[in-house]
Amino acid sequence: DSGVTQTPKHLITATGQRVTLRCSPRSGDLSVYWYQQSLDQGLQFLIQYYNGEERAKGNILERFSAQQFPDLHSELNLSSLELGDSALYFCASSSASAKLEEQYFGPGTRLTVT
Amino acid sequence: AQKITQTQPGMFVQEKEAVTLDCTYDTSDQSYGLFWYKQPSSGEMIFLIYQGSYDEQNATEGRYSLNFQKARKSANLVISASQLGDSAMYFCAMRNNFGNEKLTFGTGTRLTIIP
Repeated sequence: DSGVTQTPKHLITATGQRVTLRCSPRSGDLSVYWYQQSLDQGLQFLIQYYNGEERAKGNILERFSAQQFPDLHSELNLSSLELGDSALYFCASSSASAKLEEQYFGPGTRLTVT
Repeated sequence: AQKITQTQPGMFVQEKEAVTLDCTYDTSDQSYGLFWYKQPSSGEMIFLIYQGSYDEQNATEGRYSLNFQKARKSANLVISASQLGDSAMYFCAMRNNFGNEKLTFGTGTRLTIIP
């Protein structure tokens, strides 16, 4: 168990809908990263938050947004969903003072868009 | 920009044999880290091993070792005495050690251990 929790584990929804994925980082970790794993694109970085502020952005669509709250949990919002958004979404966390290798992944949320 | 290349989409290995999973990388950064993750069929990402670009010794973690050849820009994962539980997808990843800490992943290698 990495200590990173993600809810829900599975999500099935229809095209055009909006969903929210939730991530709770390990206790004390200030950085949260979101990754998308799809058959087409592989594993790619979406966005990073550090202590409530956006720190880095990757290949995140404009239909997607994220935020990190004062208690450090993060939410990834996906709107106007398309079939191609079906993927496994991972959250990872790390501590600013951690060794460089320590980036812990949550179990992922599997999103299916029908 | 960083790039990771894994050229072996799939591998079949007999149980108890050693296996090498290939990974080459490209980066203009001087300080970076290389990672291997295991993803079993259940989907979670399990950290296996890390190698820093300035580390002189190859990293080892139990049955896992990383064969780091900086001049060739390769970071191959070696699994000794393979077990049935090693069957999974394996991803090589890297990140720079300053500023943006995102991981860049390769396309992965599906390893199947044959009894």
